[in-house]
Amino acid sequence: EIVLTQSPGTLSLSPGEGVTLSCRASQSVSSRYLAWYQQKPGQAPRLLIYGASSRATGIPDRFSGSGSGTDFTFTISRLEPEDFAVYYCQQYGSSPPTFGQGTKVEIK
Amino acid sequence: QVQLVQSGAAVKKPGASVKVSCKASGYTFSNFYMHWVRQAPGRGLEWMGFIVPYNDYTTYAERFQGRVTMTRDTSTSTVYLDLSSLTSDDTAVYYCARGDTSGWEHFFDSWGQGTLVTVSS
Repeated sequence: EIVLTQSPGTLSLSPGEGVTLSCRASQSVSSRYLAWYQQKPGQAPRLLIYGASSRATGIPDRFSGSGSGTDFTFTISRLEPEDFAVYYCQQYGSSPPTFGQGTKVEIK
Repeated sequence: QVQLVQSGAAVKKPGASVKVSCKASGYTFSNFYMHWVRQAPGRGLEWMGFIVPYNDYTTYAERFQGRVTMTRDTSTSTVYLDLSSLTSDDTAVYYCARGDTSGWEHFFDSWGQGTLVTVSS
């Protein structure tokens, strides 16, 4: 199965700052089948990005994704207070679908 | 709007089984794959498998083969997760999550609220 490694583990930032998260796959993710989710404490994950760069319905354009092959990135252009959360990448190009271990974006 | 409402928390003893339900509304139930994903306390997300409500076809992650069963009731738009031979390692929040319509793209656009299953003697 494809192992996804996210970095960094934790980021401490202030509202208004930009942030870029990394997701590296142990083998190539076919057809750019990579998604990003946001999870807040006590809540279910929320889909933000699919197909590496397509925003899900209702997701603000400050969230964006890019990448292909084994290297993917997720960017928040300007952090809003509600963006502090854990972010997971997930590949669905091969079975089984797998998730990264998550990156926590916390308030500095 | 799409809603997935899961059953309440459960406490089970080692060796027992648990059944979690997920009732869907706001869309055509049969048209979308339904997946189960779990999250152990303080840990990441783990995919368990899916069911195709249209024809009852299932696929399970290899590590759960033999002790997981996913079923559906189209009359009530509900899917079920049955996990047997529970151990403390199965203590987790279990989520149902809606997949796509084709079965080609297994990302999850709507999630249930989660069901905490605690396995303890």
